[in-house]
Amino acid sequence: EVQLVESGGGLVKPGGSLRLSCAASGFTFSSYSMNWVRQAPGKGLEWVSSISSSSTYIYYADSVKGRFTVSRDNSKNSLSLQMNSLRDEDTAVYYCARGERRIDYWGQGTLVTVSS
Amino acid sequence: DIQMTQSPSSLSASVGDRVTITCRASQSISSYLNWHQQKPGKAPKVLIYAASSLQSGVPSRFSGSGSGTDFTLTISSLQPEDFATYYCQQSYSTPPTFGQGTKLEIK
Repeated sequence: EVQLVESGGGLVKPGGSLRLSCAASGFTFSSYSMNWVRQAPGKGLEWVSSISSSSTYIYYADSVKGRFTVSRDNSKNSLSLQMNSLRDEDTAVYYCARGERRIDYWGQGTLVTVSS
Repeated sequence: DIQMTQSPSSLSASVGDRVTITCRASQSISSYLNWHQQKPGKAPKVLIYAASSLQSGVPSRFSGSGSGTDFTLTISSLQPEDFATYYCQQSYSTPPTFGQGTKLEIK
């Protein structure tokens, strides 16, 4: 069974940093591209970042470019999102999602709240 | 980026009704269109991929159609567990983009 389990969310002040993690199991992690998708309270889904299976190709939404960094460790079946210079508008549930453009599995999400 | 537009934004219906949700892409995306269902407080779940293929385990009352720029999600006979928000998502190009969502409520 495919499982994606996010962790690392919490309350952080504007300008602060946070690192999210996603632990993957039930599939060959190193064969799949992965994504981070977020959802602000009461809003829709917004793609944040993608990373290819071997980390060759990395993409970011304009809204996070230069502030967020995605990475993966295929030896540990793990995906990460380093978030710096956080803003109020980054408040959201962050989902880890499997797939290259076509998302076929989602994690349960982790809540990031940016507030003073 | 490819823009995805859903209609309606919200919809009231009764158990047993047939419901159709529409999704339009700002340019042709062939059949690279997926539908996701999200219940309150839960993660999204994939229903349909490649415009019309049912994800494993999804009931057959859900169906998808379309190609190019215009797509539909149809629920043939609404069940109580189908009241949720539905999102279309294009997988034709990066970044993958989502429609704004259609909230399906009980009448």
